[in-house]
Amino acid sequence: DTQLTQSPSSLSASVGDRVTITCRASQSIKNFLNWYQQKPGKVPQVLIYAASRLQSGVPSRFSGSGSGTEFTLTISSLEPEDFATYYCQQSYSTLYTFGQGTKLEIK
Amino acid sequence: EVQLVESGGGLVKPGGSLRLSCAASGFSFSSYSMNWVRQAPGKGLEWVSYITSSSSYIYYADSVRGRFTISRDNAKNSLYLQMNSLRAEDTAVYYCVREVVLLAAPDFDLWGRGTLVTVSS
Repeated sequence: DTQLTQSPSSLSASVGDRVTITCRASQSIKNFLNWYQQKPGKVPQVLIYAASRLQSGVPSRFSGSGSGTEFTLTISSLEPEDFATYYCQQSYSTLYTFGQGTKLEIK
Repeated sequence: EVQLVESGGGLVKPGGSLRLSCAASGFSFSSYSMNWVRQAPGKGLEWVSYITSSSSYIYYADSVRGRFTISRDNAKNSLYLQMNSLRAEDTAVYYCVREVVLLAAPDFDLWGRGTLVTVSS
């Protein structure tokens, strides 16, 4: 199975900050990497697909990059509604896997 | 409205069985591959199982293989998860999830609200 490791596991930041979350794969997954946001009590929503493609309707302050084994999710300027948990997910192998999540909290 | 609605969750004893259902509406269900994803209380997301649109290919996470069976009925716009030999560690909210393929990279673009399965004596 392809393991995904996110860092950091938690992060405190302020409104307006630039934030980067990293996701590392245990083997190459090309660009088959997606990012999801989950707010408390809500279902996950896809933000970025194919490593760098912004899902329709997602604000442009979100961006993704990377390929192979290292990927990043960047929020250019945090808004209050961005405080949530973020997960990466690989869809390269037939056994999909998620990262353990990064909880983004207000400082 | 495009939506997925899960049902069938509840409290079951260890070793017991449960069958989850997911009713799809508002889109052409038979055109999409589908997945089950679960989330234990306070924990992260775990992919459980996948089925192609025509049921030709089916995959399971190692943690459930041999105990869970995914299936679908396109005529009824429904997805199912038969769960046998349940364990305490199967306790979770189970989400029915639609898969879409853009630029050859699958992602999960539509999620149900989930149904809670609790395995406890």
